[in-house]
Amino acid sequence: DQQVKQNSPSLSVQEGRISILNCDYTNSMFDYFLWYKKYPAEGPTFLISISSIKDKNEDGRFTVFLNKSAKHLSLHIVPSQPGDSAVYFCAASDGNRDDKIIFGKGTRLHILP
Amino acid sequence: GAGVSQTPSNKVTEKGKYVELRCDPISGHTALYWYRQSLGQGPEFLIYFQGTGAADDSGLPNDRFFAVRPEGSVSTLKIQRTERGDSAVYLCASSSWGQGTNTGELFFGEGSRLTVL
Repeated sequence: DQQVKQNSPSLSVQEGRISILNCDYTNSMFDYFLWYKKYPAEGPTFLISISSIKDKNEDGRFTVFLNKSAKHLSLHIVPSQPGDSAVYFCAASDGNRDDKIIFGKGTRLHILP
Repeated sequence: GAGVSQTPSNKVTEKGKYVELRCDPISGHTALYWYRQSLGQGPEFLIYFQGTGAADDSGLPNDRFFAVRPEGSVSTLKIQRTERGDSAVYLCASSSWGQGTNTGELFFGEGSRLTVL
C-alpha cells in the first residue's frame, strides 16, 4: 500500500525550461513533506521541505507547492540545468506519530541540452 | 568523518548466510534510520532509532532482520538466513530531528549493496 505515490517514472525537460515533478499521498495525517535528489551510486540528498501549515516554500530555483485538499504536492525547478538530471523522491511524515519518513518510488528527470 | 559512513559498500553472500551491515552516523545526530532500496523503487523504511532505542521498527520485513544501536551512535543491521529477495541497497541515514530542529533533513550514507546468490 503506497502512501506516497509518484506516478511518473521519468520526465524529460529541455534545459532552461521548467521541470514539474508531481507527488500524491493518501495518508491525511502526513504533516511534513520533503523532496530528495539522488545521483547514481550515491545516497539521496535533501532538497527542500514544506510543512502542512504552508502551501508554498521556495529555495532558489526550487519551489515546492502543497495542496492539502487534493493531497498533492509538486516540485518546480526553474530554470532546469543539466546537473538537475537525477532521480527525485517525494517523502512524507506524520510528525504527531513519530519521525518515520515514507518515500515514493521516484521520478527520473532528464534535462535535455 | 563528516558524513554518514556505511560498511561494507558491497557484500556478496550465499543464501542462508548471516550478514551484518554497519552504519556510522554523523556525530551528535540522535536519530538514525535504516532503509532498503530495490531496483526501480524508492527507499523502503525498515527501522528508526532515537538514541539507543528503536522508536519504530514496523518496517522490518520479518524476524530474520534485526538492528541494534547499543551506544546511541553506530548501528548494525543484522540479517539471518539471507534469501535472494534480500538483495538490495541498504541505506542508513541520520538526522538531528527531535533535538530541537525540524527540517526533517535526513543525511544518507552511500549505502551497502547486498547481493544474495
